Amino acid sequence: EVQILASGGGLVQPGGSLRLSCVASGFTFSKSSMTWVRQVPGRGLEWVSSLSDTGGSPYYADSVKGRFTVSRDNSNNTLYLQMNSLRADDTAMYYCARQTGTDVAPYFDSWGQGTLVSVSS
Amino acid sequence: EVVLTQSPATLSLFPGERATLSCRARQSIVTFLAWYQHKPGQAPRLLIYDGSNRATGIPARFSGSGSGTDFTLTISSLEPEDFAVYYCQQRAYYPPTFGQGTKVEIK
Repeated sequence: EVQILASGGGLVQPGGSLRLSCVASGFTFSKSSMTWVRQVPGRGLEWVSSLSDTGGSPYYADSVKGRFTVSRDNSNNTLYLQMNSLRADDTAMYYCARQTGTDVAPYFDSWGQGTLVSVSS
Repeated sequence: EVVLTQSPATLSLFPGERATLSCRARQSIVTFLAWYQHKPGQAPRLLIYDGSNRATGIPARFSGSGSGTDFTLTISSLEPEDFAVYYCQQRAYYPPTFGQGTKVEIK
């Protein structure tokens, strides 16, 4: 059974940093591209960042480029999202998902339950 | 980026009724469209990919159709567990984008 568990969310002040983690099991993590998607409270889903199976091809939404860094540790089946210079509009539930399709044309076929990030003073 | 517009915003139906949800793209995305189901407090679930292909384990009452700019998700007979928010997502153009969602609620 595929299981994806995100953690690391919390309350942080504007300008602060947070690192999200996503631990996966039930599939070959090292052969799967992975993604972060977020949902602002009361709004729809927004793709944030993706990373190829080897970690060699990161992709970012324009809204987070230069502030967020995605990485992975295949030996521990873990995906990370380092979030710096956080802003109020980064407040959202952050979901980790397994990606299918291609790195630039993905669908997301398994998702975790999300971790909440709140940016506020 | 490709904007996806879903309609209606809310659909109020009785269990057993047929649900028809629409997703329209501003430019052709061929059939590179997926549908997801999202319930409060749960992980989103992939239902349909590439316009009309059901994902693994998805019941046959869910079907997708359409091509180009107009797409439809149909739930042939609503079960109690189908009341949720549904999102479409395109992968024809980078970055992948989602519609704003349609909430299917119990009437």
